[in-house]
Amino acid sequence: EAQVTQNPRYLITVTGKKLTVTCSQNMNHEYMSWYRQDPGLGLRQIYYSMNVEVTDKGDVPEGYKVSRKEKRNFPLILESPSPNQTSLYFCASSPTQGIYGYTFGSGTRLTVV
Amino acid sequence: AQSVTQLDSHVSVSEGTPVLLRCNYSSSYSPSLFWYVQHPNKGLQLLLKYTSAATLVKGINGFEAEFKKSETSFHLTKPSAHMSDAAEYFCVVSVSGSARQLTFGSGTQLTVLP
Repeated sequence: EAQVTQNPRYLITVTGKKLTVTCSQNMNHEYMSWYRQDPGLGLRQIYYSMNVEVTDKGDVPEGYKVSRKEKRNFPLILESPSPNQTSLYFCASSPTQGIYGYTFGSGTRLTVV
Repeated sequence: AQSVTQLDSHVSVSEGTPVLLRCNYSSSYSPSLFWYVQHPNKGLQLLLKYTSAATLVKGINGFEAEFKKSETSFHLTKPSAHMSDAAEYFCVVSVSGSARQLTFGSGTQLTVLP
């Protein structure tokens, strides 16, 4: 089944403790992206990647890092999480320029206390 | 630059009555437009997409949307609401060649009353 898999689904952590949210797609898509969803704000892009080793900032990149060493994986790294990063996170992928629509993961609900 | 405005943050309809969720967009180039639906505690599912072919687009679950360039609108409609349609709906714009790809509206919460 074609899908984007995120892990974990739920995570509670403490301020300052480094964490990684994994994202993997099995569709050989070139483009991958991370979003955070907050009430009343829709989805905002954190980082995106056009292909392996090609990443760039989205609208809200502060406090996040990403890497794209393999085509299928695009992990999101929070080096020192803070409470304002409490949010619902989505990973998405698409074949190329996005006109075909995106496939989204099921989301990761992160709480930083 | 591109942007999306969903004109209603909440819409409430009775089961069996029509649904209208409004979306206006702004784009310097010819856009692709999408509607996504998000049910509670679920990911986002693509309802339909416009990519410069027919201006009336049919999607899943009986939803339709019409691209009106003169009005820069892409409103989502359904003739008869079902209880299972209760969800949050996002209008999304994408510009080919734009590195940022998708821009999301802030969402419309649809409530369906029995």
